[in-house]
Amino acid sequence: SYDLIQPPSVSVSPGQTASITCSGDGLGDKYTCWYQQKPGQSPVLVVYQDTQRPSGIPERFSGSISGDTATLTISGTQPVDEADYYCQAWASSALFVFGTGTKVTVL
Amino acid sequence: EVQLVESGGGLVQPGGSLKVSCEASGFTFSGSSMHWVRQASGKGLEWVGRTRSKDYNFATEYAESVRGRFTISRDDSKNMAYLEMNSLKSEDTAVYYCMRMDVWGKGTTVTVSS
Repeated sequence: SYDLIQPPSVSVSPGQTASITCSGDGLGDKYTCWYQQKPGQSPVLVVYQDTQRPSGIPERFSGSISGDTATLTISGTQPVDEADYYCQAWASSALFVFGTGTKVTVL
Repeated sequence: EVQLVESGGGLVQPGGSLKVSCEASGFTFSGSSMHWVRQASGKGLEWVGRTRSKDYNFATEYAESVRGRFTISRDDSKNMAYLEMNSLKSEDTAVYYCMRMDVWGKGTTVTVSS
């Protein structure tokens, strides 16, 4: 099976930068998406194709890829950004895989 | 407005069957791959499977955990996607979401319990 590993939690102060990593074998050869999920709500796509931001997503959300690690960066983090974040990629076996998830806490 | 609305969830006994539906609106459903994703209470997201569009011969793919028990289908004339679940187990208890990558429904809850 294909695994995407994320840190369980990230804490950040309001106005600071939060970085969430996602690591997987050969991830640099695949496209990574990122989803935000707030408690009791459905996930929302915040980044697709590694670095692209859907319309309506604030500019403070950005994605990057280096080697086999994708990163979601939230610049100038706001209290409303407190949520669970999941990366996602396609495994070579035509399977759609989600990362383990990261809880972002804005202290 | 782009929208996905799931329905059909409920309580079912272990070993039983259930079919949930997803109604799409606001976009060209026939050209879209449609996915099903589930989330057990307090757990992460788990991909269940997808149905591809007519351009890809309506091909379907499934996660290992449901392959052979679950079937995904679609009716482009009705803008509907379906997830038929057989031989249900307690570990299939979850909220089931229909999604198109950039659009998610609110989910429907499936509980497998005696």
